[in-house]
This record gives sequence, structure tokens and C-alpha cells, in this order.
Amino acid sequence: DVKVTQSSRYLVKRTGEKVFLECVQDMDHENMFWYRQDPGLGLRLIYFSYDVKMKEKGDIPEGYSVSREKKERFSLILESASTNQTSMYLCASNQGAGTGELFFGEGSRLTVL
Amino acid sequence: AQSVTQLGSHVSVSEGALVLLRCNYSSSVPPYLFWYVQYPNQGLQLLLKYTTGATLVKGINGFEAEFKKSETSFHLTKPSAHMSDAAEYFCAVSITSYGKLTFGQGTILTVHP
Repeated sequence: DVKVTQSSRYLVKRTGEKVFLECVQDMDHENMFWYRQDPGLGLRLIYFSYDVKMKEKGDIPEGYSVSREKKERFSLILESASTNQTSMYLCASNQGAGTGELFFGEGSRLTVL
Repeated sequence: AQSVTQLGSHVSVSEGALVLLRCNYSSSVPPYLFWYVQYPNQGLQLLLKYTTGATLVKGINGFEAEFKKSETSFHLTKPSAHMSDAAEYFCAVSITSYGKLTFGQGTILTVHP
């Protein structure tokens, strides 16, 4: 069964801490994505990557960075967490030149105090 | 650029009643369209997708959607609601067969006994 795994389901951090959210996919997908989900706003794209060491900004990249050193792993980094980054973070992947559907992880709920 | 509007942030139906969740999109090129479902504390899973071909698309759990180009709509329907259909539903659009999806704001479906 195909799988996208996010390392932490729930995290609580303090303002100013550096936060790492890890995502691993076992489908050999080229593309990986980080979305943020907030009530009433749906999912908003933070960053995505089409290949190892490649990254592109999404719609709301401010305050975030990403790392993709290996094809299967895509990390989201909050350099200095703030309370307005309290949210659900969803990682997803898909195949290049496929049918376009995204495969999602179960999400990481981050609370910044 | 593409965008998605879901009409109604909350929809409530009785068990056995018709489910209709509305989605309108804008896209400068023929779109790929998706409906995803999210159950509490889980990631998103694909219900159905339209890429090319037949405009009436059947998905899992008895859901279907019809692509209407003239109305730029992709509404989701199910003839008879079940209690297990209670969840949040997201419509999404993409202009490529790979890459990023743009999501609507989401519609929370409540099913009453």
C-alpha cells in the first residue's frame, strides 16, 4: 500500500524555537508538497519540490523553508516559530506526468505557545 | 492561475437524503479536477477525479461528480447520505497532469439520523 508518512502527529513548541517537520514517501514520486490547513481557508501551498535539491515557493512561503536531500524525504523547517504558525501541516506527493492526484500523509498538528 | 470556490462551508442533510456539495473553478486551460475527503484527525483521501473523457465521474463510497465546462462547475453528489459520510470535503483544480493543486475552502458535511 502506498504511503506518505509524517514523523510527528502532534507537536507543541515555544515561540522562537526551530521546528522540523519530516515527511517520507515510499512511492518513488518526483514531486513533494507541503500544505498548511486552517479552518475556513482550506489548504494553502507553502513549498513544493520537483526533484532532489529543487524547491519552489508556493502561495505562503514566508517564515518557512524546506529541504530535499533525498528523493523520498521532504522536510519543512520553521526557523523561528511564531504563534500564527499554529496549524495543521499536510505533506503530499505525486508522480511526474501522472494523473495529477496527490497522496497525503495524516498531517502534523503544530501548536506554538 | 487557477482558483476554486466551494459554495457553503457547512452542509447538513438527513440520513438517506441527497448530498450536493458545490464547486466552481476558474482556469485558463482545461483543468484537472478532484474531490478529496478528510475524516477527523486524518489526512486527505481521493474521492474522484476528472482528467479527460467522460464528464460524469464516479468515485468511491457512491459519490459522483459532473464536469460542466459551460458552468465551470464540478459539483459532488451522492443519492443517499449515510452517517459515515460525515466529514470535510475539498474540491481542487490543477492545470497540469502533475504538480500543485489549488484547493477550495472546504465544506463540512453533517449527516443527521
